[in-house]
Amino acid sequence: NAGVTQTPKFQVLKTGQSMTLQCAQDMNHNSMYWYRQDPGMGLRLIYYSASEGTTDKGEVPNGYNVSRLNKREFSLRLESAAPSQTSVYFCASERGAGPNYGYTFGSGTRLTVV
Amino acid sequence: LAKTTQPISMDSYEGQEVNITCSHNNIATNDYITWYQQFPSQGPRFIIQGYKTKVTNEVASLFIPADRKSSTLSLPRVSLSDTAVYYCLVGNAGNNRKLIWGLGTSLAVNP
Repeated sequence: NAGVTQTPKFQVLKTGQSMTLQCAQDMNHNSMYWYRQDPGMGLRLIYYSASEGTTDKGEVPNGYNVSRLNKREFSLRLESAAPSQTSVYFCASERGAGPNYGYTFGSGTRLTVV
Repeated sequence: LAKTTQPISMDSYEGQEVNITCSHNNIATNDYITWYQQFPSQGPRFIIQGYKTKVTNEVASLFIPADRKSSTLSLPRVSLSDTAVYYCLVGNAGNNRKLIWGLGTSLAVNP
């Protein structure tokens, strides 16, 4: 029972490089989310996908793109990394309907852009 | 969307009961109250969720008064491993993409 799996766990990029953060869930959840967490700030939503085939912007989408490849997978892409994107990134999923809609989070990707 | 207010930090000792209160004056009729726990270098973990009155599971209890304008997370007999940040969120499946994660309550359990 893996829950939400994120890869990689750590990454260092040079300014201008691109990369894709991978996320997969095995709970048959409908909704998936990408958050970033910075010191002194709460979790901020980057993008979300309410269901397979749909994506929408969250609070801080600039500089990112996402793909909901199928019901299990939701990837986050940085096309041209900037130092301001240094952060810890969390993927989450949830059932998307009714009570007990609590999120299940992955263990995070710690990204440093130099 | 209902905004929540909770203490920035709390201190406790092993074996004590810890109560963390969250206020949410603008909670909507169909909103649920959910608490999460986050350890350093990990993602938040769902602890408990409730709508009204009292909910208890193997980890914690959640007390919600009749007006639902506040809630209290109760952790019985805390241990050092309960040192973490605790977040209170209010929302429902229709608006959870707009949930606002504040800074939470940083709980330090001392020996």
